[in-house]
Amino acid sequence: AQKVTQAQTEISVVEKEDVTLDCVYETRDTTYYLFWYKQPPSGELVFLIRRNSFDEQNEISGRYSWNFQKSTSSFNFTITASQVVDSAVYFCALSDPNSGYSTLTFGKGTMLLVSP
Amino acid sequence: NAGVTQTPKFQVLKTGQSMTLQCAQDMNHEYMSWYRQDPGMGLRLIHYSVGAGITDQGEVPNGYNVSRSTTEDFPLRLLSAAPSQTSVYFCASRRQGVNYGYTFGSGTRLTVV
Repeated sequence: AQKVTQAQTEISVVEKEDVTLDCVYETRDTTYYLFWYKQPPSGELVFLIRRNSFDEQNEISGRYSWNFQKSTSSFNFTITASQVVDSAVYFCALSDPNSGYSTLTFGKGTMLLVSP
Repeated sequence: NAGVTQTPKFQVLKTGQSMTLQCAQDMNHEYMSWYRQDPGMGLRLIHYSVGAGITDQGEVPNGYNVSRSTTEDFPLRLLSAAPSQTSVYFCASRRQGVNYGYTFGSGTRLTVV
C-alpha cells in the first residue's frame, strides 16, 4: 500500500522567512506521480505542481521551489520570502497505480501560518 | 467550461436521513472520484470510477454508494446519514492517460446532527 507522510502538522513563520514543507512517500512502483496542493482558508484545492518519478530535476516557480529526491523518497516544498497570502494547508499527494492512476493518496497536510 | 461542479455547497442532515451529493464535469474526463476531508486526516478516497458503468471502492467506502451512468455525472449517496459522516466532500476528475492532472470541485460541507 502507498503512503504519504507530512510530519509537520503546523508551521508558524513571520513574513519574509523561508519555510520548507516536508513530504515523504512510500510506494512499490517505479512509475508514479507526486503532487502538491494548496488549500487556502476559502477551502478550494489549488494545484501547485506535478512531478513524475523519472524527473528528479528540482523546480522553481517564483517564490516556490520543489526538491524531489528518489533516494530518500522525499518531495519537499520550499517557499522563499513567505507572505501572509501563503497561509494555507498544503497537501502532498501520490498517484495510485492500483486505480490506474485515477486517484490520489494524500498526506494529512501541513498548516502554514504566516504572520505579518 | 465549468470544470467540476459540486452541489450543494452546504448541507445539514439529521441522523438517518438520506441524500445525494452531486458531482458533474463537462470536460469529458473518464476518471472521477470522491474524497472526504476531516481535520488532521487529509483527504481520503471514498469511491472512484474509471468510466461509465465502472466503480470501485476506496479507503473509506462504508456508508456510501455510487453509480456512474454517464461520463459527466458521479453522484455520491448517503443512505442513512450518521454523525461520523460529517465532513467536507470533494469530487475530482481526470482525463485518462498519465500526463493529465486532477481537477477538483469546490467541495460540499456536510453536517449530520
